[in-house]
Amino acid sequence: DSGVTQTPKHLITATGQRVTLRCSPRSGDLSVYWYQQSLDQGLQFLIQYYNGEERAKGNILERFSAQQFPDLHSELNLSSLELGDSALYFCASSSEGGGETQYFGPGTRLLVL
Amino acid sequence: AQKVTQAQTEISVVEKEDVTLDCVYETRDTTYYLFWYKQPPSGELVFLIRRNSFDEQNEISGRYSWNFQKSTSSFNFTITASQVVDSAVYFCALSPGGVAGETSGSRLTFGEGTQLTVNP
Repeated sequence: DSGVTQTPKHLITATGQRVTLRCSPRSGDLSVYWYQQSLDQGLQFLIQYYNGEERAKGNILERFSAQQFPDLHSELNLSSLELGDSALYFCASSSEGGGETQYFGPGTRLLVL
Repeated sequence: AQKVTQAQTEISVVEKEDVTLDCVYETRDTTYYLFWYKQPPSGELVFLIRRNSFDEQNEISGRYSWNFQKSTSSFNFTITASQVVDSAVYFCALSPGGVAGETSGSRLTFGEGTQLTVNP
């Protein structure tokens, strides 16, 4: 158990819908990262937050947004969902943000029908 | 830009064989970190090791060992006396470190992964 929690574990929804994925980092960790794992794209970095502020952005679609709250938990919002958004979404956390080990949550498996 | 290449898509071995997973990376950063993660069939990503760019000492942890060679930009992972429970997808990853990591973020760039199957 990495100490990072993600909810829900599974999510099935329809095209055009909006969903919110939630992540709680390990106790004391200030950085939260979101990654997407799909068959065609592999593991891709989406976005990083550090202590409530956006630190880095990767290949995140404009339909996707994220935020980190004062209690350090984070949410990833996916809107206008398309079939291609079906993937495993991971959250990870680290103590700071300068190359420390990132510990991953169990992931949320999203299926868009 | 950072890049990680794991040329071996799939490896199949028989239990007790030794197996080496290759990882080659590209980066312009002088300070960086290398990682290996394991993804068993259950799907979670399990951290195995982290190495910084200034430490080229090989590391051994039980049946696992890692060979970091800066001259060839490689960070290979060897499992000795493999077991069925080692069957998983293994990912090599790279992140910036130092000032680059603190100011521009320390995203992990992953390789494509190597599917290791250990047969009884």
